[in-house]
Amino acid sequence: TQLLEQSPQFLSIQEGENLTVYCNSSSVFSSLQWYRQEPGEGPVLLVTVVTGGEVKKLKRLTFQFGDARKDSSLHITAAQPGDTGLYLCAGFSEKLVFGKGTKLTVNP
Amino acid sequence: DAGVIQSPRHEVTEMGQEVTLRCKPISGHDYLFWYRQTMMRGLELLIYFNNNVPIDDSGMPEDRFSAKMPNASFSNLKIQPSEPRDSAVYFCASSLGVSSTDTQYFGPGTRLTVL
Repeated sequence: TQLLEQSPQFLSIQEGENLTVYCNSSSVFSSLQWYRQEPGEGPVLLVTVVTGGEVKKLKRLTFQFGDARKDSSLHITAAQPGDTGLYLCAGFSEKLVFGKGTKLTVNP
Repeated sequence: DAGVIQSPRHEVTEMGQEVTLRCKPISGHDYLFWYRQTMMRGLELLIYFNNNVPIDDSGMPEDRFSAKMPNASFSNLKIQPSEPRDSAVYFCASSLGVSSTDTQYFGPGTRLTVL
């Protein structure tokens, strides 16, 4: 069974701070996706990374896929209250496998 | 496009009762997925369909769970009989394909509470 471990599980920071969350596995994935989920809603795709070492930027969010395609990180610069939510990583091999998520709270 | 539609949004039932969750995928999407989300286990794939045919049901927990897709615009997930440990948020998602770069679009979920 392929497992994705996300850390930290919970993160509470002040507006304006930077943060990084991690997604790690012992398995190799063809791609890795990051989703954000807000309370009472389904996950929404933020980005897909495919190539080992790939870096993608989405405004203040920077996503990196590890060289070996086993891990990924999400870095948020100058966090805002609107960034609050559950961040899920999902690795694709034959199907999509999700981590349990990092619950981020950004306090104004 | 209205996105993936799920009903009901909330369901409270008593142990032993039958529960039916419903999903309307995005028009034109050939794949439909059912997931269950809990704090302990995260988001787990239960079953997925391609062109209305079940492809992988290895995530269905036990025989009490069943899912059907009678046509391209509707699927249901049934639990009979329901048990308190089935309490969770159930999501339906749809996509155009199942490649490593395909996007799954999730519905808002059904929060199920079994008393």
